[in-house]
Formats: sequence, C-alpha cells, structure tokens
Amino acid sequence: GAVVSQHPSWVICKSGTSVKIECRSLDFQATTMFWYRQFPKQSLMLMATSNEGSKATYEQGVEKDKFLINHASLTLSTLTVTSAHPEDSSFYICSARAGGSDVEAFFGQGTRLTVV
Amino acid sequence: AQSVTQLDSHVSVSEGTPVLLRCNYSSSYSPSLFWYVQHPNKGLQLLLKYTSAATLVKGINGFEAEFKKSETSFHLTKPSAHMSDAAEYFCVVSSGGGADGLTFGKGTHLIIQP
Repeated sequence: GAVVSQHPSWVICKSGTSVKIECRSLDFQATTMFWYRQFPKQSLMLMATSNEGSKATYEQGVEKDKFLINHASLTLSTLTVTSAHPEDSSFYICSARAGGSDVEAFFGQGTRLTVV
Repeated sequence: AQSVTQLDSHVSVSEGTPVLLRCNYSSSYSPSLFWYVQHPNKGLQLLLKYTSAATLVKGINGFEAEFKKSETSFHLTKPSAHMSDAAEYFCVVSSGGGADGLTFGKGTHLIIQP
C-alpha cells in the first residue's frame, strides 16, 4: 500500500515556541491531506482538510491562526503549532488521499507533541 | 450526513477464541467502510475496506468483515485471537473521495487474555 511518512514521531518543546510537523506521501501524489488530533483513549478528531495549492478548511472550533497548515506540493503538508501551550500537548496524525474518486486514506505514524 | 457507532468501547477475549467487534453506520450515500487498527503511540493501519464490491471482505492478519446493508452493519471478526491483536480498532465511513472526510467511530479497545 501507499506510504505516508510523518515527522517527527515525537517532540518536546517549551511553551511559547512553535513546532512544525511534516507529512509526506512517499509513493503517490496526495491531492488531499487531513490533520487529526487524538486525545488519550479517544478517537481521532479532524482538525482540517487541505488541498494542494489552496487554503486549508478548518473544522469548527479549531484555531486556524494557531494551527497553520501548508500544503504547497502534492507530496508534502505541514502543520505548525504556533505559540504552543501545554494544552496543545497531544497526538497529531496526518492522512493523505490521492485524487479523484479514490476513497482510501493512508495515515502517517503520528507525532506525540509535549509542551512543557 | 454520516455517522459510525462502535457498539463496544472494550472487548476482552481469550487467546485462541473468536473476536467480534461491532460497527453500525449511517450514510446518505453508498458508503465506503474501513477498519483500522492502532497500536499505542502509533498511526493507523488499514485492516480492510469495503468499497461496493464483495460484501464479505478479507483483510490482513486473518481479519474479515461483512457489509450488511439491511442491518447497516460492518462487524469485524477473526476466528482465533492472538496476543498481538491487542490494540485499538476504529470503524470508519466515507461517502466519497477527494476532500470528503472520514468519519471515525469512537474506537474499541481489544484486550486479549492469555
């Protein structure tokens, strides 16, 4: 199956700093990428959907100025958590879809963010 | 609109016995359905998918699921549980490709007793 690589797998940062998480589709072109947040022992919560070359669509309640998403190429999307605070600590997962009617999404391995 | 209900938050079985994880869905369109498995601090791995072909879908690691439109169900089964099956399982529905989102169930935690 297709491979989505997410980096880093874990990161610790200080409050007030920014952190960038990368999501790459290694062997296919990802027209659409999704970013999720997962709290302990809970399901995945969709944060935003991004299409290559256009602005991301954020879910209700997600601060777009805090969670900056860039999808500048068909193989790379980034999520930047700006001015991170301890409450932003979470597990973040990206997924990617090829174009057209392809419904299957491929997931990255996730990033554990800890803000101290 | 679409939704997914995983009927059990936790399922505990003994090693070597059958596994049944239940999932019901609702969708306004002909849905695609998926089961994903997540091990601790890992991403999601696709177990199997239904995309309007055969209603009995076989996946990896001996798992299979049957799409039953009349019951709006897509239950996941495995004849014989293995210790390595202990993980979180998510049932997911999608009504289309492109930017159409995936709707996740709340997950079922599978516990395997030795």
